[in-house]
Amino acid sequence: DVKVTQSSRYLVKRTGEKVFLECVQDMDHENMFWYRQDPGLGLRLIYFSYDVKMKEKGDIPEGYSVSREKKERFSLILESASTNQTSMYLCASSSQRGPQHFGDGTRLSIL
Amino acid sequence: AQTVTQSQPEMSVQEAETVTLSCTYDTSESDYYLFWYKQPPSRQMILVIRQEAYKQQNATENRFSVNFQKAAKSFSLKISDSQLGDAAMYFCAYRSPLTGNQFYFGTGTSLTVIP
Repeated sequence: DVKVTQSSRYLVKRTGEKVFLECVQDMDHENMFWYRQDPGLGLRLIYFSYDVKMKEKGDIPEGYSVSREKKERFSLILESASTNQTSMYLCASSSQRGPQHFGDGTRLSIL
Repeated sequence: AQTVTQSQPEMSVQEAETVTLSCTYDTSESDYYLFWYKQPPSRQMILVIRQEAYKQQNATENRFSVNFQKAAKSFSLKISDSQLGDAAMYFCAYRSPLTGNQFYFGTGTSLTVIP
């Protein structure tokens, strides 16, 4: 079974902090994704990556950056956290033609 | 970008009954993939069922089946013999082989199962 592991289930940070969310997958998938999930808005794509060191902006990249130095790891970075970034963050991975597999999610609160 | 619409924010079903969740999508492509995902209150999103657009036969996974109407761009999920464990948020998703790596999700349908 594919396993996608997110480093934290719950995280509390302060406004202005730099925040790192880590995601690791164990199935050698080419593609990795970061979403945020808010009630009534579904999943919104922040960034995705289709190869090491490659990244593409999704629908809401502002205030975020990503890093993919190794194939199995995809990091989401909040450069200067703000309260409107309080949300559930989901990481996913997929092969070229397969479905996405998701991690457990990180519930991030910015105070 | 492709759009995926789930017009039912909330649905409920009596235990052991059948419920259908609707999903429509907008695309000009002829080859694509469609998925239904389930997100229980514990939060992890899991794949329920998938359908390749080139296949005319509707996909089935145990109590879950789809009604794929390609011309109408409709992809509904039928849950038979509903169980308490089916209570969850359900998301419909579209994937294009052309854009390759992007998935497009609907806003979800929250399903309640009544004992």
